[in-house]
Amino acid sequence: NAGVTQTPKFQVLKTGQSMTLQCAQDMNHEYMSWYRQDPGMGLRLIHYSVGAGITDQGEVPNGYNVSRSTTEDFPLRLLSAAPSQTSVYFCASSYSRLGGNSPLHFGNGTRLTVT
Amino acid sequence: AQKVTQAQTEISVVEKEDVTLDCVYETRDTTYYLFWYKQPPSGELVFLIRRNSFDEQNEISGRYSWNFQKSTSSFNFTITASQVVDSAVYFCALSETGGGNKLTFGTGTQLKVEL
Repeated sequence: NAGVTQTPKFQVLKTGQSMTLQCAQDMNHEYMSWYRQDPGMGLRLIHYSVGAGITDQGEVPNGYNVSRSTTEDFPLRLLSAAPSQTSVYFCASSYSRLGGNSPLHFGNGTRLTVT
Repeated sequence: AQKVTQAQTEISVVEKEDVTLDCVYETRDTTYYLFWYKQPPSGELVFLIRRNSFDEQNEISGRYSWNFQKSTSSFNFTITASQVVDSAVYFCALSETGGGNKLTFGTGTQLKVEL
């Protein structure tokens, strides 16, 4: 099993450009989510999904879109990149949507720089 | 709203010393889950432990131990006889039962273990 796979590992964008961060898991996990990690702020939840076709906003959703057309994939779209979106992005999945029933498995992260 | 505080931003110890990482949380739920994750210099997030609010037993796993005290809303993590490989950022996190598997992270503690 590959676990949670994120692509790309690194990306540089110019302000105003759009892009999609890819996330795929091969564990048949029901729950998937996106976090961003910024210095001194820990990880903050952007969007999450409790199953195919169902998504919801987390703590910092502005400027990001998600969709969940399959169980395996949960892409994160930046509509118009801004320097404030410079961050490390982590995708995570878990077997259960229920809090604490199963720990989150994280991908290796995507380091995004917006100039 | 739930909150996790890791007041220690950075800790430096000499190898073989014991070190305790503090975590204080706030929640209005009576049922919740607490987690510790490790982020080594390579950047991935590694799950260490999950504890539910009804289980206040301390846990030991090798050189790692966790002390959960509901009376002080703390979930502290101790590494005994630290090693250089323990150098990492450690995150404490909280999820509430009604909030699905959405984690609120602390800001992390950078642990440096030197020879």
